[in-house]
Amino acid sequence: AAGVIQSPRHLIKEKRETATLKCYPIPRHDTVYWYQQGPGQDPQFLISFYEKMQSDKGSIPDRFSAQQFSDYHSELNMSSLELGDSALYFCASSLTSDRGQSPGNTIYFGEGSWLTVV
Amino acid sequence: GQNIDQPTEMTATEGAIVQINCTYQTSGFNGLFWYQQHAGEAPTFLSYNVLDGLEEKGRFSSFLSRSKGYSYLLLKELQMKDSASYLCAVRYHNTDKLIFGTGTRLQVFP
Repeated sequence: AAGVIQSPRHLIKEKRETATLKCYPIPRHDTVYWYQQGPGQDPQFLISFYEKMQSDKGSIPDRFSAQQFSDYHSELNMSSLELGDSALYFCASSLTSDRGQSPGNTIYFGEGSWLTVV
Repeated sequence: GQNIDQPTEMTATEGAIVQINCTYQTSGFNGLFWYQQHAGEAPTFLSYNVLDGLEEKGRFSSFLSRSKGYSYLLLKELQMKDSASYLCAVRYHNTDKLIFGTGTRLQVFP
């Protein structure tokens, strides 16, 4: 079965540079989420989109922005990169309109994009 | 806040049974998920509970008590490959995002 596809898998950037991460959700899924996971930490919610509109916002810095396109893929744009932005960035998707009992709108994660800021 | 608490680390022996607990804030609760995550890899879905009781899926079972704000993940017949972090995640009403706990790092020894 098709999964969530993220690119690039690894990215090295210098401080103050810009980076863009891409995410292709599971086909038919209507909701995309972005999470940031630092070393040894739990995933922190950044932002989500439902049907191409921002649906929720978490601890996303103002230097970051994201959008979901007409084909449902999403991009996370990160500017003025700082050393502390080095992390594993996960994209996840779900079918929000599916409110069945099981598994109840499960969120499926991509393999993640490793960002290293030097 | 919506503190989700889990033990930081646990150890167990191959073939044994281990129970990983999770407590969460009950107000607005709308579902609890357990994920397994190997280091540097994506969290993979294990189980989902929204009603009280036990959900069994092979060697893994998950239990929920909504009134107590409590869940546990039970892993039976432990295998070495079960060494991973186990993340408890909660969804609250009016949002589709998941709030993750800090994760429990499980080490299985021979």
